[in-house]
Amino acid sequence: EAGVAQSPRYKIIEKRQSVAFWCNPISGHATLYWYQQILGQGPKLLIQFQNNGVVDDSQLPKDRFSAERLKGVDSTLKIQPAKLEDSAVYLCASTGLAEGTDTQYFGPGTRLTVL
Amino acid sequence: GDSVTQMEGPVTLSEEAFLTINCTYTATGYPSLFWYVQYPGEGLQLLLKATKADDKGSNKGFEATYRKETTSFHLEKGSVQVSDSAVYFCALSDTGGGNKLTFGTGTQLKVEL
Repeated sequence: EAGVAQSPRYKIIEKRQSVAFWCNPISGHATLYWYQQILGQGPKLLIQFQNNGVVDDSQLPKDRFSAERLKGVDSTLKIQPAKLEDSAVYLCASTGLAEGTDTQYFGPGTRLTVL
Repeated sequence: GDSVTQMEGPVTLSEEAFLTINCTYTATGYPSLFWYVQYPGEGLQLLLKATKADDKGSNKGFEATYRKETTSFHLEKGSVQVSDSAVYFCALSDTGGGNKLTFGTGTQLKVEL
């Protein structure tokens, strides 16, 4: 079974530029999460989707971050404009919550460096 | 709100030593508890989990017991190997329906020969 796919793996941009990350969850998983992991900290949830609807985006800085999951499968997370403090690893995870499991499976992450 | 506190690292051990990484939590309700591991250059992998009080999760020689009375979920292994070197994260999932994970800050383990 293929795992959670993310791209790109690494991205370097300058502040005020925009960037987008892509995630393809495990096939059939209805729930998708985006986490931000700043160096030396644990991951923090940014947004959670159930199919193509948003369940929780309370921690998403909506003035600069946006995310979508239009067809209920893959998802994109965008930052515009980026700030220095956005340097982090962005993790995507999915779970078959609708199937009764609460175990989240994580992708390899995208490491963003904002200069 | 929910929170997880785990011991700071790095923890450096010799191979075959006994490992304990402490984890305590604060939560309303009865969350599920998890240990995730992050090997160098890789993503987070679920190591073990427990869903209710007194449950013991175990995998690859690691184990942790859900202790409601002390709100703890300490990770233990009887004999560590060099290949266990990684960062270990304790986490809980909220019971509000969304199942989002709240993580601790992670504990780096270094195992030397």
